[in-house]
Amino acid sequence: KAGVTQTPRYLIKTRGQQVTLSCSPISGHRSVSWYQQTPGQGLQFLFEYFSETQRNKGNFPGRFSGRQFSNSRSEMNVSTLELGDSALYLCASSLARGGSPLHFGNGTRLTVT
Amino acid sequence: GESVGLHLPTLSVQEGDNSIINCAYSNSASDYFIWYKQESGKGPQFIIDIRSNMDKRQGQRVTVLLNKTVKHLSLQIAATQPGDSAVYFCAETPSGGYNKLIFGAGTRLAVHP
Repeated sequence: KAGVTQTPRYLIKTRGQQVTLSCSPISGHRSVSWYQQTPGQGLQFLFEYFSETQRNKGNFPGRFSGRQFSNSRSEMNVSTLELGDSALYLCASSLARGGSPLHFGNGTRLTVT
Repeated sequence: GESVGLHLPTLSVQEGDNSIINCAYSNSASDYFIWYKQESGKGPQFIIDIRSNMDKRQGQRVTVLLNKTVKHLSLQIAATQPGDSAVYFCAETPSGGYNKLIFGAGTRLAVHP
């Protein structure tokens, strides 16, 4: 079974631009979560989607948004990029909402200059 | 490669020894815990999980121990191999938190031949 696939692998953007990241979950997984990883803050939860609805949201500004499609694939969008948004963005999928492990993709490395 | 964390605590062990990685979790209401392994340039890889109604769970070469009294989690790796070298994260899910994982800061495991 294929794992979680994230595209693109690397992105370089300039301040003020916006970016869209894509995630394809493991087949059959309906929950998709997004996390931001930085050396300073570690791994932080952004949001979770299940059945095309955002179910949970972390403590990030409204510039961070996402959506989930009927095939469970998900995208996240960051508008008006700031230098501090440079990070590894990780997508994880899970069979259920809670009590089952999240399986992560290899992430999208976003660099904002 | 991409750095996961620049100033993580490091556990150095000899190949063939047993390793014990410790984690203090934050929320006494957390009811599900996961250990992840992250290698350079990759996303976190699921190792083993445990629910709060258990105090021990074993996998292949790994054992997780949960002490709810002191909010402590540990991961034991038997016969550590060079391929075990990575950063290890514990994660907790507060009750009702579904797939909103709260990650620890991580521990770097360095295995020396």
